[in-house]
Amino acid sequence: EPEVTQTPSHQVTQMGQEVILRCVPISNHLYFYWYRQILGQKVEFLVSFYNNEISEKSEIFDDQFSVERPDGSNFTLKIRSTKLEDSAMYFCASKVSRKNEQFFGPGTRLTVL
Amino acid sequence: AQSVTQLGSHVSVSEGALVLLRCNYSSSVPPYLFWYVQYPNQGLQLLLKYTSAATLVKGINGFEAEFKKSETSFHLTKPSAHMSDAAEYFCAVSDLSNTGKLIFGQGTTLQVKP
Repeated sequence: EPEVTQTPSHQVTQMGQEVILRCVPISNHLYFYWYRQILGQKVEFLVSFYNNEISEKSEIFDDQFSVERPDGSNFTLKIRSTKLEDSAMYFCASKVSRKNEQFFGPGTRLTVL
Repeated sequence: AQSVTQLGSHVSVSEGALVLLRCNYSSSVPPYLFWYVQYPNQGLQLLLKYTSAATLVKGINGFEAEFKKSETSFHLTKPSAHMSDAAEYFCAVSDLSNTGKLIFGQGTTLQVKP
């Protein structure tokens, strides 16, 4: 069964460093999302991506964040200069069409020291 | 704006007992509603969804939920809890607008006692 994959599963970085989180959505899906979950808190929407552009972003998604779909299969989230408060689990999700459910990847746990 | 409220951050039941996890939503447009389950150190798995068809929705692992517009609720139930049901459960709403983003509730941790 097709699934969303994410790499790495765990990333440790120093404050101020750039990180890139990678996701491979399900191949025929057209809508892509990033969410994050700070430990013990709810899952929060970061950004949605459709037709090769950002369709919506949350207040969390400031200038330090960017997304890219460089090659038609990968979907990346870049944090330019990480802060301690960026430590969280980051989930990628995708769906095939507007009315369908989203499928989530297993997540990348980002730890900023 | 849409929002979701899950009443009870922790629910504890005995094995074989009824599971009831509460979810209330707020939406200015007809909502699409979802329940996701998260097992420890894993991602989110879809349990079931309501997309304006039948109001009683059956999902995986014996779970079901009923959409009640008058009560703006979408509570999750299972007649008989199993030890393997212990997990975190998230209710989410989407308006299926241009982006279709999900707005999640705070989550409910289900503990199943032997």
